Amino acid sequence: AQTVTQSQPEMSVQEAETVTLSCTYDTSESNYYLFWYKQPPSRQMILVIRQEAYKQQNATENRFSVNFQKAAKSFSLKISDSQLGDTAMYFCAIFGGSARQLTFGSGTQLTVLP
Amino acid sequence: DVKVTQSSRYLVKRTGEKVFLECVQDMDHENMFWYRQDPGLGLRLIYFSYDVKMKEKGDIPEGYSVSREKKERFSLILESASTNQTSMYLCASSLTSLGLAGAEQYFGPGTRLTVT
Repeated sequence: AQTVTQSQPEMSVQEAETVTLSCTYDTSESNYYLFWYKQPPSRQMILVIRQEAYKQQNATENRFSVNFQKAAKSFSLKISDSQLGDTAMYFCAIFGGSARQLTFGSGTQLTVLP
Repeated sequence: DVKVTQSSRYLVKRTGEKVFLECVQDMDHENMFWYRQDPGLGLRLIYFSYDVKMKEKGDIPEGYSVSREKKERFSLILESASTNQTSMYLCASSLTSLGLAGAEQYFGPGTRLTVT
């Protein structure tokens, strides 16, 4: 079984500052994929960033980057230069090969303050 | 871009009614999924399908059924709606079952269902 834990139900950050969202996971798979999804108030869930477990290099997408610590089973999301449009619910998710399905965490509601 | 559409954004039904939620994707994806989203619980998988007429139970299938008669369309059915099925329902699709193409899912806008 796969599990994903997001221990921060809510966070806030001032515009232009940096914020880090935490995620830990557990899986028995040797190869798996990790994702951060964003769900803005309009409710359309979109992919923010992905990380393949066998790649040691941390993924980066513009202002979004991850800190992937495989031994610690940690996968945090860093948002730099936060913008008002980053206000959303953020979900961490894992996909393990044999499970063939995504397992989501409970989400972190991020509010960017002007 | 992949587009996943859901038949309704908001739906209000009465207890005991049969409810159909429909989802359509336009990118010839093999896999389709139905989730429900509740505060503090994240997304939980109800059912998924890897091919036409094929379905598999997810983590919380009780009280739900699904239908996939065409590749692009995946329906969620509540045979007899109950108040504890009040929730946000999200549909998703992914290209294949293999590797990253199977892992990365594209979501619809969601249907907020209220059962009174």
